[in-house]
Amino acid sequence: NAGVMQNPRHLVRRRGQEARLRCSPMKGHSHVYWYRQLPEEGLKFMVYLQKENIIDESGMPKERFSAEFPKEGPSILRIQQVVRGDSAAYFCASSQVNSPLHFGNGTRLTVT
Amino acid sequence: RKEVEQDPGPFNVPEGATVAFNCTYSNSASQSFFWYRQDCRKEPKLLMSVYSSGNEDGRFTAQLNRASQYISLLIRDSKLSDSATYLCVVNQNYGQNFVFGPGTRLSVLP
Repeated sequence: NAGVMQNPRHLVRRRGQEARLRCSPMKGHSHVYWYRQLPEEGLKFMVYLQKENIIDESGMPKERFSAEFPKEGPSILRIQQVVRGDSAAYFCASSQVNSPLHFGNGTRLTVT
Repeated sequence: RKEVEQDPGPFNVPEGATVAFNCTYSNSASQSFFWYRQDCRKEPKLLMSVYSSGNEDGRFTAQLNRASQYISLLIRDSKLSDSATYLCVVNQNYGQNFVFGPGTRLSVLP
């Protein structure tokens, strides 16, 4: 039973480019969460999605960031026109109802 | 007041020591509770869920006090491999709202 799969593991983008981060939840999990972690800091909630619905995006920056979880395929976190401050580890987690979160191994984004 | 607060740390302890982590939460409607550990530059991993009656898994014991809105994690006979950041996580309702504490870093020294 594969765990939460994230790709790519490492992503390098120049300022102004777009970054697309993908997350496939564990089999049977219908809830997906995205978190961001800056170096030496804690996890910051970004967005919570179910299939085709954004449930809570209170942690998402108002501009340049978007997330989706389509009926088919992985969840995508999209960052447009990246800036150096976007450099961070982005973790995806999934869960079933009333069960703990299970995390993927993250995507490390570096903006040069 | 932050929603979930933890001991600021870091904790530096010798091998074999017993170490306790504390966590408090502000939302009295919180429903479920967890401890995660996160190794440097890795993803958080579920260590254990925390049940009302308290629960134990080998060297690890978790306690919950709903009246005081307090959660604890006790590690006995600590090993070098226990070195990590320990995260307290509170699920604030059955609608899947997970709130993470800032974490407490533990270093077990030889």
